[in-house]
Order: sequence, then structure tokens, then C-alpha cells
Amino acid sequence: DTEVTQTPKHLVMGMTNKKSLKCEQHMGHRAMYWYKQKAKKPPELMFVYSYEKLSINESVPSRFSPECPNSSLLNLHLHALQPEDSALYLCASSQDTPLTGGPTYEQYFGPGTRLTVT
Amino acid sequence: GQQLNQSPQSMFIQEGEDVSMNCTSSSIFNTWLWYKQEPGEGPVLLIALYKAGELTSNGRLTAQFGITRKDSFLNISASIPSDVGIYFCAGRSNQGGKLIFGQGTELSVKP
Repeated sequence: DTEVTQTPKHLVMGMTNKKSLKCEQHMGHRAMYWYKQKAKKPPELMFVYSYEKLSINESVPSRFSPECPNSSLLNLHLHALQPEDSALYLCASSQDTPLTGGPTYEQYFGPGTRLTVT
Repeated sequence: GQQLNQSPQSMFIQEGEDVSMNCTSSSIFNTWLWYKQEPGEGPVLLIALYKAGELTSNGRLTAQFGITRKDSFLNISASIPSDVGIYFCAGRSNQGGKLIFGQGTELSVKP
């Protein structure tokens, strides 16, 4: 199984709503990532979890709150978002991260959640 | 911060033509990756390169890790309509280990 799954595929939410994005992988990967991607632009790193601990936060606003309940799951909790937060949110996983000295760092991406904030 | 310059930004070609795109950096990378992203999907890893001068193929795709470690190219031979998508290069150095993405090359193939 080399798949990263994300739910939901599409999400429309108002600026006062609270919602969560979910990501799951069963490849035994110990690093998981959240990216934000605008149309026809490269993915922008938001957060990195390594061995279920937050290792990188790219100065993301607090209205985005990540959570890693276990090594296979990654959530992104959303609250009080702005219309400019509308984007494709991608989850990725890798066997390990360079910071921990693992031999394989390649990231495998999920299909993403298309988020629209109204 | 580190930046990758990817070119061209877009390409419109006829089915059967060969395609070439490249990425350059002002700093050295230890790993070069090439991803393809189709509409509504996440990026899919095509080729990974780890050594300067390395040339690697994946079907009709061939990529090379530049000798200077500051560039990489991707060639697609005999393009077909399903090659349509955005191709991203990505590099990684030892500094922090984050992937740095190029701006993407959008490929359109006319049957």
C-alpha cells in the first residue's frame, strides 16, 4: 500500500466555522507533512511531524492547528479562516526526515482537499 | 532563502514531440526530485536523483542531476496526451532538509 488518503475531497466553510481535514497513510512512514497549494503554484510547506511530534511550523497562522494522533494519522483543524485561505491542502508522508538521519526522505502526496472559504 | 528557477513556465506541443524542462539553483542540492501533478490530484513522484551526474530513466522520462549540483533537467520523449499536467522540480540540501519546489512547467499536448 503506497497510498496517502485525504478526506474530505472538497470542503466549503464559512469564516466562523470549525472544520478538520484528515490524512492517513499505512506505509509505516514516520514523517508527515501539510502543504498549502494555490492554483498552478508549487506546494508551500506548513507543518512537519516527525515521530508524532511537531518538528517544523512555517510560521503558519494559529487559525490552522495540526494534530498527529498516531503515526498513521494527521489532522488539520481549521477555525475562523479567511477567504484567502481557500486552496488545495495537501498531505504528504515520508519514511523519515533528514533531521533524524533516515535514509529515505521522499515525500508521497495525497490527492488533497479542495477548501473554499466563503 | 533558497530558490529554484524552473523553465519553461509552459509548453504547448504536438503529440509525438520530445519535451525538455530544467531547474537551476544558486545553491547546491544533494537531492533532485521531479513530480507531476494532474488537475485535482496531488503531485506524483516521477524520478529521484542523488548523485551529481546521475542520469535516470522512468519509461519515456529521463532526468539528470547536474555536475555542478545546481541544476537538473527532465526530458519526455514521444509525448502523448496523458503527459498533460504540471511538472515540478524539487531540491533538497542538507540545510534543514526541506524540499524547495520550482514554480512548475505546465505541459499541454495536442493530439
